[in-house]
Amino acid sequence: EDKVVQSPLSLVVHEGDTVTLNCSYEVTNFRSLLWYKQEKKAPTFLFMLTSSGIEKKSGRLSSILDKKELFSILNITATQTGDSAVYLCAVYTSGTYKYIFGTGTRLKVLA
Amino acid sequence: EPEVTQTPSHQVTQMGQEVILRCVPISNHLYFYWYRQILGQKVEFLVSFYNNEISEKSEIFDDQFSVERPDGSNFTLKIRSTKLEDSAMYFCASAPRVLSNYEQYFGPGTRLTVT
Repeated sequence: EDKVVQSPLSLVVHEGDTVTLNCSYEVTNFRSLLWYKQEKKAPTFLFMLTSSGIEKKSGRLSSILDKKELFSILNITATQTGDSAVYLCAVYTSGTYKYIFGTGTRLKVLA
Repeated sequence: EPEVTQTPSHQVTQMGQEVILRCVPISNHLYFYWYRQILGQKVEFLVSFYNNEISEKSEIFDDQFSVERPDGSNFTLKIRSTKLEDSAMYFCASAPRVLSNYEQYFGPGTRLTVT
């Protein structure tokens, strides 16, 4: 059965800290991995990764994929209280039309 | 910026009643999805829809559920006879294409409460 596992489940840090969120997966026919940020309601798209070793960056957020070890990390540097959210990882597999989501990592950034 | 919209934002219904959740995907998107998220749990895939038919559905999407794109813009999820365990946030999403380099856009969700 395809599965996506995120760790840690929750994390509390102080403003200015750097955090690393993990997503590992076991799926057949991997196609892409996506990161989302979910605050109060709908997930909002952060990154999509398809190739190993290529870092995607957006401001203080960056992400990289390791297709050999079957995981991805999401880094957030100089965290701010506005980064408090649930971060979701989802994997898309070819031959299907669905995304498989992990349970998410709940990040709380304290002022 | 184009966005996916959903109505209503909150629906309260009694067990056994039928509900229809509505979504308007982004206009040039081709692939449509419904997900649900029970409070405190993960986002779960329900169904994907392309070219006016279901592409894939999960084990959650049983005979009580159906989807439709009645008029080329709306995308609806119907639950025929709601159960207490159907209480969840339901998200609609759309994507321009199913290839490596696409993004899936989520609507704001409909919170369904079954009493």
